Amino acid sequence: DTGVSQDPRHKITKRGQNVTFRCDPISEHNRLYWYRQTLGQGPEFLTYFQNEAQLEKSRLLSDRFSAERPKGSFSTLEIQRTEQGDSAMYLCASRPQGADGNTIYFGEGSWLTVV
Amino acid sequence: GDSVVQTEGQVLPSEGDSLIVNCSYETTQYPSLFWYVQYPGEGPQLHLKAMKANDKGRNKGFEAMYRKETTSFHLEKDSVQESDSAVYFCALIPNTGTASKLTFGTGTRLQVTL
Repeated sequence: DTGVSQDPRHKITKRGQNVTFRCDPISEHNRLYWYRQTLGQGPEFLTYFQNEAQLEKSRLLSDRFSAERPKGSFSTLEIQRTEQGDSAMYLCASRPQGADGNTIYFGEGSWLTVV
Repeated sequence: GDSVVQTEGQVLPSEGDSLIVNCSYETTQYPSLFWYVQYPGEGPQLHLKAMKANDKGRNKGFEAMYRKETTSFHLEKDSVQESDSAVYFCALIPNTGTASKLTFGTGTRLQVTL
């Protein structure tokens, strides 16, 4: 399967703990996104990378959230000092250049439950 | 900023009924338009797309026409099936400018009854 891969798929953590999610984009997709989705809502943009450069961050991305893409391939999203309001599905997506360049492909998501 | 409005939170047609799911958008840029479908426990999957005005996206009997004059991209199907049940999201991405992210609507849950 050459789709966007996310790990772990499910994470339950206690309030105040740190969590990290990993995303492996589709091979050769130079653009990578993180979104957050809560029940009954559409995905909300968090941040965007082109290669290793983080080009845009949403106001939703508080200082407890940090995302990296150190070599322009996989990416990590870390949440420090988790709060119950962080419970959501965190979606990673990637996007190619070229003729299909306006299409964004999503992974299966990582569910976070903060208890 | 960009926005997408889906007026129906849920639609409950019977199998064989026709379907229209409304989507309107607002942006200062010239967008590409998408419908994504999401099944329980999964990420959104691209369902169909249209890159410019008057394009029609098609997939599995669904269609959506990119109408610039009414800023709409309604999803239509002549005869729905139970297997079409899912949540459908309308979305846009600007074709130009520095903004480079998908903006989603709130979604429409399609539940087809037998």
